[in-house]
Amino acid sequence: QVQLQQWGAGLLKPSETLSLTCAVYDESLSGYYWNWIRQPPGKGLEWIGEINHSGNTNYDPSLKSRVTISVDTSKSHFSLKLSSVTAADTAVYFCARSLRQWRKYYFDYWGQGILVTVSS
Amino acid sequence: EIVLTQSPGTLSLSPGERATLSCRTSQSIGSSYLAWYQQKPGQAPRLLIYGASSRASDTPDRFSGSGSGTDFALTISRLEPEDFAVYYCQQYGNSKWTFGQGTKVEIK
Repeated sequence: QVQLQQWGAGLLKPSETLSLTCAVYDESLSGYYWNWIRQPPGKGLEWIGEINHSGNTNYDPSLKSRVTISVDTSKSHFSLKLSSVTAADTAVYFCARSLRQWRKYYFDYWGQGILVTVSS
Repeated sequence: EIVLTQSPGTLSLSPGERATLSCRTSQSIGSSYLAWYQQKPGQAPRLLIYGASSRASDTPDRFSGSGSGTDFALTISRLEPEDFAVYYCQQYGNSKWTFGQGTKVEIK
């Protein structure tokens, strides 16, 4: 059973950089895309971006200028950095695995989620 | 950008009743790219339906998905107490994933 475990700082000040990491257990990074998705309190899901084992990335255009997603295949980790955070970036951040195959375009395994609060 | 609009925002029903949730896309999409999730408070979303109509491995058969083009639906044939939750549709296209804003199914 694939497990995703995530960690990182939960409280940031405006203008700081958000940094989260997600470890993947019992599954190779190859053959999948690895994603970051966030959910502001009481609101819906927002996709941030994705990376594969080769380091190929895609980002949501609205966040692209502030987002960097990287992968460390030796540790089976992938990471998110979001720069210049504001209160609008306060959200629960999830990591998730996605499939992109014939008739299978979905997120099937998720991390536990981390609440990141941006406050002065 | 493809926008997903879910309706209604909230559905108030009793256990045993039938629930029908709608997801409309701003452009026609292939059914392969449409999935549905269930989310309960404090939990990550859980995949229910993929390819618009295929149940995930642990999805009970009271859940069914349908639709094509721009109109998709999730139906729960008879609501069980554990089905009261928020449901999201999701699509993939042009190297981007988007979600609907969610439908909350609450106990009447």
